Amino acid sequence: DQQVKQNSPSLSVQEGRISILNCDYTNSMFDYFLWYKKYPAEGPTFLISISSIKDKNEDGRFTVFLNKSAKHLSLHIVPSQPGDSAVYFCAASPRNSGYALNFGKGTSLLVTP
Amino acid sequence: KAGVTQTPRYLIKTRGQQVTLSCSPISGHRSVSWYQQTPGQGLQFLFEYFSETQRNKGNFPGRFSGRQFSNSRSEMNVSTLELGDSALYLCASSLGSRGNEQFFGPGTRLTVL
Repeated sequence: DQQVKQNSPSLSVQEGRISILNCDYTNSMFDYFLWYKKYPAEGPTFLISISSIKDKNEDGRFTVFLNKSAKHLSLHIVPSQPGDSAVYFCAASPRNSGYALNFGKGTSLLVTP
Repeated sequence: KAGVTQTPRYLIKTRGQQVTLSCSPISGHRSVSWYQQTPGQGLQFLFEYFSETQRNKGNFPGRFSGRQFSNSRSEMNVSTLELGDSALYLCASSLGSRGNEQFFGPGTRLTVL
């Protein structure tokens, strides 16, 4: 069963606006969350992560928010740029799991000029 | 610094055959993880090796196996191939702790006929 869910397969946003990508998880043992970005014919590239002891982490234009009670996290990209167009994967890791990442199925973001 | 390399990039096999895929991690990285990506299931964790020992294992049948060598290079093997094994197989390396970024290779595209 899918323990990490990205319910929006695609999202289209205008350049300069905010992109919000959502992710829900079901396993309460997850305590480390990551976002990856993937271009066609390339492997995923790490974007940003957050530990369950935090509720927000920022890195430049990217901010991840974690709501543990709702088992929900989101990635905000502000401002969105055409080069951000890619597939974004949410991933989660349970405690004491090393690098056993559970991935969502991805959201395809299209940023239009 | 060279990235994660995977060989071969493309592979065509027939049902019942076996296949070996190779992954060379970034120099100094001791953790290597393998993932299977399919359109239906998304990215699924296969196993992780750290210092030649399997540290984590996903929910895949015993036909899927792997190993890691003393130079951290890793191989995964799939025996008795099935049509459903057609997928993109991704390898990722990291220093080994969860706070360390995990770097993905470009993947090996396996087609089973």
